[in-house]
Amino acid sequence: QSVLTQPPSVSAAPGQKVTISCSGRTSNIGNNDVAWYQQLPGAAPKLLIYDNNKRPSGIPDRFSGSKSGTSATLGITGLQTGDEADYYCGTWDSSLNPGFAVFGGGTQLTVL
Amino acid sequence: QVQLVQSGAEVKKPGASVKVSCKTSGFTFSSYGVSWVRQAPGQGLEWVGWVSGYNGATNYAQKFQDRVTMTADTSTTTFYMELSSLTSDDTAVYYCARDKSAAVRENWGQGTLVTVSS
Repeated sequence: QSVLTQPPSVSAAPGQKVTISCSGRTSNIGNNDVAWYQQLPGAAPKLLIYDNNKRPSGIPDRFSGSKSGTSATLGITGLQTGDEADYYCGTWDSSLNPGFAVFGGGTQLTVL
Repeated sequence: QVQLVQSGAEVKKPGASVKVSCKTSGFTFSSYGVSWVRQAPGQGLEWVGWVSGYNGATNYAQKFQDRVTMTADTSTTTFYMELSSLTSDDTAVYYCARDKSAAVRENWGQGTLVTVSS
């Protein structure tokens, strides 16, 4: 059981837009920034979004992030078959001292 | 460029220990810490803990508190994670990841498969 809640799967057609939600609590998403990771089949995770809505160098602006209260959302526009992957949200949880890192259970994106 | 290169796959028997290494390059070792994250087959990501490249300070997830040891070797710019009292539930790919901040794992190693089987 993951600390952050994501839908197990989403799907959309090439060229369309998809959003992936990530729900948490005050102690994690509510009080800390959120990151998103893309994991292509058989590969290590890759940072996609950090600090809720910032993109590392090299990440196209088709990928966007937002946060409101205790939820965060990843958006992907202009879907491509190469976007088929598992997507994870992650943040810090400060309910204990010291805190600890947490992740969502992951969302599998299928580009139909 | 930033690189984290991990040691190779391991097969261990239940009750044994495993030590995974993470050789780093392309950044100032003492300015960053590294998290260890594991992924069981077909499952999601699970944070195991963190170690500082500055002073070797550690922060372990409560679940692993009594059987994990993370260290940092500044002379070889290598991080290590040792997990003891292995069970089949520890079978997973273990990743090291350079932390941008407490909430962000910025660069990832390629992963090390640890298989626990009798």
